[in-house]
Amino acid sequence: GNSVTQMEGPVTLSEEAFLTINCTYTATGYPSLFWYVQYPGEGLQLLLKATKADDKGSNKGFEATYRKETTSFHLEKGSVQVSDSAVYFCALTPDSNYQLIWGAGTKLIIKP
Amino acid sequence: NAGVTQTPKFQVLKTGQSMTLQCAQDMNHNSMYWYRQDPGMGLRLIYYSASEGTTDKGEVPNGYNVSRLNKREFSLRLESAAPSQTSVYFCASRTLFLDGRYSYEQYFGPGTRLTVT
Repeated sequence: GNSVTQMEGPVTLSEEAFLTINCTYTATGYPSLFWYVQYPGEGLQLLLKATKADDKGSNKGFEATYRKETTSFHLEKGSVQVSDSAVYFCALTPDSNYQLIWGAGTKLIIKP
Repeated sequence: NAGVTQTPKFQVLKTGQSMTLQCAQDMNHNSMYWYRQDPGMGLRLIYYSASEGTTDKGEVPNGYNVSRLNKREFSLRLESAAPSQTSVYFCASRTLFLDGRYSYEQYFGPGTRLTVT
């Protein structure tokens, strides 16, 4: 079946550190991949997406590359800020299905 | 545009009480969703409505009912609340096509925090 596995959190980093949050997936067909972010007390919002192999999604300094050979979509940022503290969710949609399959979320804490 | 709105923001119920969570979107989206979010479990789909007039069960539908009242509104009803339904509930919507391409992005409301005692 379809599933998404994320690294467990919380991940705690100092400001300006390099960030990687791992995400791997299992899916049939050719899914689209997403990273959503949830700031404290808010709903989720789309951070970036990639719809085919080798695509790189990017937004707000975050990047993720769709790697079909390793079934991964790791989230990276070169220099994190305190304002990046949030919960990050990796998700996929299996081809034309209406649903999103979600990872469990990774809480990121950035200390000044 | 307000996007996706949800009411109420907070609710406390006693076991056995009923209530309806309201959701509305002003983006003319076709599809709408109800999720629950529990610690360490990510988001789990309760019900969804692919288009006006249709509803389908998601991963965890037991204990819930939904109504797609019109294209804008999608409500979630708890007929007899149980402590296991204590959670944060999110409504989301999605358009099928964006800029001429098939779209998968979902837009979320701010959530309803429900406690059942």
